[in-house]
Amino acid sequence: TQLLEQSPQFLSIQEGENLTVYCNSSSVFSSLQWYRQEPGEGPVLLVTVVTGGEVKKLKRLTFQFGDARKDSSLHITAAQPGDTGLYLCALRPHQGAQKLVFGQGTRLTINP
Amino acid sequence: GAGVSQTPSNKVTEKGKYVELRCDPISGHTALYWYRQSLGQGPEFLIYFQGTGAADDSGLPNDRFFAVRPEGSVSTLKIQRTERGDSAVYLCASSLGGTWNTEAFFGQGTRLTVV
Repeated sequence: TQLLEQSPQFLSIQEGENLTVYCNSSSVFSSLQWYRQEPGEGPVLLVTVVTGGEVKKLKRLTFQFGDARKDSSLHITAAQPGDTGLYLCALRPHQGAQKLVFGQGTRLTINP
Repeated sequence: GAGVSQTPSNKVTEKGKYVELRCDPISGHTALYWYRQSLGQGPEFLIYFQGTGAADDSGLPNDRFFAVRPEGSVSTLKIQRTERGDSAVYLCASSLGGTWNTEAFFGQGTRLTVV
């Protein structure tokens, strides 16, 4: 069974600070997705990373896929209260699989 | 609306009762997924439909859980003889399907509480 571990589990910082959260797998994966989930809502896709070493940017969010395709990170620059939410990483257990395996998430709180 | 719609938003039921949870996917999406999210956890896969057929039901925890999608659109997740451990948010998602990397869009979920 392929497991995803996210760290930290909880993070509370002040507006304007930078932060990084991590997602690690017990084995190599073919692709990985990052989602953000707000209370009472379903997860919303932020990005999909496929290639080892790949870096994608989405405004103040930078996503990186590890060279060995076993880990990923999300870095947020100058965090804002609107970034508050549950950040989830998810992978497909093998190429062609339709289901997603999610990590337990990092609950991020940005204080004004 | 244009998104995935789930009803009811909240459901409280007594232990041992039967419940049905409904999902209306985005129009034209052939793939439909059910996930379950317990408090403090990420979503856990239950079942995936491609059209009317269940292509992967490996996540259903036991035979009390069953899902249907008779016309390839609306899906119903059915739970028999509910237990307190079934309490969770049940999420539905849909996608255009066809390839593994098409984006899945999630509904807001149904919060099920078994008392």
